[in-house]
Amino acid sequence: AQSVTQLGSHVSVSEGALVLLRCNYSSSVPPYLFWYVQYPNQGLQLLLKYTTGATLVKGINGFEAEFKKSETSFHLTKPSAHMSDAAEYFCAVSPIKAAGNKLTFGGGTRVLVKP
Amino acid sequence: GAGVSQSPSNKVTEKGKDVELRCDPISGHTALYWYRQRLGQGLEFLIYFQGNSAPDKSGLPSDRFSAERTGESVSTLTIQRTQQEDSAVYLCASSTEGGQGYEQFFGPGTRLTVL
Repeated sequence: AQSVTQLGSHVSVSEGALVLLRCNYSSSVPPYLFWYVQYPNQGLQLLLKYTTGATLVKGINGFEAEFKKSETSFHLTKPSAHMSDAAEYFCAVSPIKAAGNKLTFGGGTRVLVKP
Repeated sequence: GAGVSQSPSNKVTEKGKDVELRCDPISGHTALYWYRQRLGQGLEFLIYFQGNSAPDKSGLPSDRFSAERTGESVSTLTIQRTQQEDSAVYLCASSTEGGQGYEQFFGPGTRLTVL
């Protein structure tokens, strides 16, 4: 069975500072990897995903993530935080060889951006 | 264009009552997913539809939960004899196909409160 661990349920960063959200997965085979963002009172929105190819993935709003197979990690970063980045972020995985695209989510990390 | 819509947005019910939650996916999306998000937790997969059939129901927590999809469009999640532990936000998502790696587009969710 797959599992996803997000280190830190809450992260506070200053505006302009680096945002780093950690995600580690447990899977016998490297899965597909996703980061979703949930703004207050809105549905989840895909930030970026890794399926194949280059391990450094760029997404929307200046976010990027790097798949590191040896570390079973897919950490999310943004060089400079903006107030609009305040939201909850979810890392998710889905198995490669399976019907459908069932997502297994981490517990989420809520980001607070301080002015 | 229209995204995934869900109704009602909020539902308060008494323990023991049945509830129906509705999901309207993006037109043309063949795959549809239901997830549950309990307070302070990540999302849990409930069920996956490909067309009108459900090849993966592994996440349904008990036989009180059921779902159907008609016309390769609207889906209804039914919870019978609701319990307080059913209180959660129920999210629906759809994607172009059920294959691996396709982006899932999420609706805003239905917040269910069981008193």
